[in-house]
Amino acid sequence: GQQLNQSPQSMFIQEGEDVSMNCTSSSIFNTWLWYKQDPGEGPVLLIALYKAGELTSNGRLTAQFGITRKDSFLNISASIPSDVGIYFCAGQLYGGSQGNLIFGKGTKLSVKP
Amino acid sequence: KAGVTQTPRYLIKTRGQQVTLSCSPISGHRSVSWYQQTPGQGLQFLFEYFSETQRNKGNFPGRFSGRQFSNSRSEMNVSTLELGDSALYLCASSLTGGANGYTFGSGTRLTVV
Repeated sequence: GQQLNQSPQSMFIQEGEDVSMNCTSSSIFNTWLWYKQDPGEGPVLLIALYKAGELTSNGRLTAQFGITRKDSFLNISASIPSDVGIYFCAGQLYGGSQGNLIFGKGTKLSVKP
Repeated sequence: KAGVTQTPRYLIKTRGQQVTLSCSPISGHRSVSWYQQTPGQGLQFLFEYFSETQRNKGNFPGRFSGRQFSNSRSEMNVSTLELGDSALYLCASSLTGGANGYTFGSGTRLTVV
């Protein structure tokens, strides 16, 4: 099935560092979403993007919907220990109320030893 | 308000058996989607129900089925379990199915032995 290419697969962060991750696809999406998943829990929505070129912030998080509608990135500024977890991008294929989400494989953030 | 509730949280079944998982959506949400999460394949869409009708279906064999009741609660059933069905099964609900409104439950961890 369709997949999103999410990178990096994993990264180590030190408190205070900025973090960047992105997703690319061969398909056009109408909506891009970014989720965070903690161990033993379901994904929690961080940011939703609806228009090509849209740049949206949620606290220290900033995400952009690529102009081509085939990519998106998420930046985390001044990381803190609770940012550790797995971040997923997701694209919705159809507009409005229908359409399943296609997820990336995730970016695992861990604390630098 | 109460979140999405999935029961049971953990389940161990034997190959060849069948299993039923339950999802109670947020009150007022009429759309329920199911996803399978495995380390190898990531999050994969199973199906979506809206007002008791299956509206969208992923690429899974017919052993995977679901239904939705008039109170929007949903169940998914897997028959003739295989070892590869071991996964975290996540349910997400939303008012009408729009991606920005998806709220995920904590999932049911199914282990097939």
